[in-house]
Amino acid sequence: QKEVEQNSGPLSVPEGAIASLNCTYSDRGSQSFFWYRQYSGKSPELIMSIYSNGDKEDGRFTAQLNKASQYVSLLIRDSQPSDSATYLCAVKGSYQLTFGKGTKLSVIP
Amino acid sequence: EAGVAQSPRYKIIEKRQSVAFWCNPISGHATLYWYQQILGQGPKLLIQFQNNGVVDDSQLPKDRFSAERLKGVDSTLKIQPAKLEDSAVYLCASSLGSLPTGLSNYGYTFGSGTRLTVV
Repeated sequence: QKEVEQNSGPLSVPEGAIASLNCTYSDRGSQSFFWYRQYSGKSPELIMSIYSNGDKEDGRFTAQLNKASQYVSLLIRDSQPSDSATYLCAVKGSYQLTFGKGTKLSVIP
Repeated sequence: EAGVAQSPRYKIIEKRQSVAFWCNPISGHATLYWYQQILGQGPKLLIQFQNNGVVDDSQLPKDRFSAERLKGVDSTLKIQPAKLEDSAVYLCASSLGSLPTGLSNYGYTFGSGTRLTVV
């Protein structure tokens, strides 16, 4: 059973701070890693993808991947109240995309 | 580009009744997925189609769930008979492709989902 683990939170950070979201996965053969944002009552929205070890930056978002440790993280700089949502880590193996349960982020004004 | 269309948005049924959901993927997307998301959990894959063939249905409860994708475009997911534990949001997603090897840059695009309540 391929597993993706996330701390369910809630994670509370003040506005302007850095939010750090973490994810571990069990399938060493996984090659593609994604972060989705899901607002309450809405469907998941892709915000970042990463495939190689290291960091990938896109605006205020930075995804980090360490395949040796089977660890993926998402940093959100200058957090805004509009970033308050559940963040889903997703890992792609041979065919299917497996999701974690998500971490609920709350950015306090 | 039009997104993934799903209907209905909401459905309330009694246990043991049947229900069907419809999905129209983004034009040109070969791969279609049905996910079940129970409140407080991440989406769980039920079935994956590549064109009109099934790639993975290992987590589909086949005694009560069925799905088809005729002509490789629209898809329907059916539950018969429904149980209380089927209450969830059913998400349809599509992507350009799903390759077993190499890197997949094909993030999935989700529809707005169907919220099913079984009472």
